[in-house]
Amino acid sequence: RKEVEQDPGPFNVPEGATVAFNCTYSNSASQSFFWYRQDCRKEPKLLMSVYSSGNEDGRFTAQLNRASQYISLLIRDSKLSDSATYLCAVNKRANTPLVFGKGTRLSVIA
Amino acid sequence: DTGVSQDPRHKITKRGQNVTFRCDPISEHNRLYWYRQTLGQGPEFLTYFQNEAQLEKSRLLSDRFSAERPKGSFSTLEIQRTEQGDSAMYLCASSFPGVGYGYTFGSGTRLTVV
Repeated sequence: RKEVEQDPGPFNVPEGATVAFNCTYSNSASQSFFWYRQDCRKEPKLLMSVYSSGNEDGRFTAQLNRASQYISLLIRDSKLSDSATYLCAVNKRANTPLVFGKGTRLSVIA
Repeated sequence: DTGVSQDPRHKITKRGQNVTFRCDPISEHNRLYWYRQTLGQGPEFLTYFQNEAQLEKSRLLSDRFSAERPKGSFSTLEIQRTEQGDSAMYLCASSFPGVGYGYTFGSGTRLTVV
């Protein structure tokens, strides 16, 4: 099993739709979880951390399910500008470098 | 602070040549990471430093690759005897140590080996 796995997509959704991505991780000792956004030919940018209790930032909600070892990202009221690749990043255990998934591509269509 | 800076932005080199990339992290961050990314893939970890100490190297990092962070500030990544398979985006990132601190990436150096 790969350390971090994501559905590559693409997810093609209309403006205003709600879309959710999952990311599974293999190591039960993982402690740090993040979602990054990457635009074409640009560097990844931190979107949000993922906390055990779940967290929200505007239209974005991140959740962690330790029992099933996955994190999720929910985007409500999708905008055209949300079109990008969304990368999840997880560490193997405390104080180790982040391992990134391959990313999920989202296209929001007018 | 202007974030993480990488230089050059693009590098085209002939197979067999040596190349060196530079990364200037955010000054308050004592951790610095190098990743490599190819089309359709996520960033792959190469190595990282805490201050000047290199704490981990990926098994992906062949002996043609070497990284340094001599004074705990900027870092260099050198690739000797480049091969076509080295063509990729080389990303540098920095962070504070500890759980919960995300990384800030630089714009990357795009290497093309011809």
